[in-house]
Amino acid sequence: DSGVTQTPKHLITATGQRVTLRCSPRSGDLSVYWYQQSLDQGLQFLIQYYNGEERAKGNILERFSAQQFPDLHSELNLSSLELGDSALYFCASSLGVAGHNEQFFGPGTRLTVL
Amino acid sequence: ILNVEQSPQSLHVQEGDSTNFTCSFPSSNFYALHWYRWETAKSPEALFVMTLNGDEKKKGRISATLNTKEGYSYLYIKGSQPEDSATYLCAFKGSGGYQKVTFGTGTKLQVIP
Repeated sequence: DSGVTQTPKHLITATGQRVTLRCSPRSGDLSVYWYQQSLDQGLQFLIQYYNGEERAKGNILERFSAQQFPDLHSELNLSSLELGDSALYFCASSLGVAGHNEQFFGPGTRLTVL
Repeated sequence: ILNVEQSPQSLHVQEGDSTNFTCSFPSSNFYALHWYRWETAKSPEALFVMTLNGDEKKKGRISATLNTKEGYSYLYIKGSQPEDSATYLCAFKGSGGYQKVTFGTGTKLQVIP
């Protein structure tokens, strides 16, 4: 158990809908990262937040947005969902913002878009 | 677009064999390289974070080396065990304040008892 929690574990929804994935980092960690793993692709970095502020951005679609709240939990919002958005979404946390900090991954949220 | 490549894509070894695989990354603007172990149906688990050229890290039977000048890192597993079966991912982080993390596609290791 990494100490990072993600909810829900599974999510099934329809195309065109909007969903919110939630992540609570390890106690004491200030950075949160979001990743997407699609069936035929590796782990893709989406976005990083540090202490409430966006710090790095990867291949995140405009239909997706994220934020980190004052209590440091983070939410990833996915809207106008398409079939291709079906994937496993991981959240990870680390102590600081620097790239040399070890990241601890949550169990993931599996999103299925029908 | 950053190229982070891992080879081989997959590997089958006998229990007790030692093995190694490679992660290649851009040799410029290096900041850090991470290695992760990812077992099926679980989450990636951090193995090493490497930041200095010539770094060598070790955890039990697993070790890693880093060459930032030529842009590669090796992961070694000594005396492979069935429980080592997993996908091993490397992730590159470039320097500069707003650099994203780029993952390789992984090396899938299967240790045959």
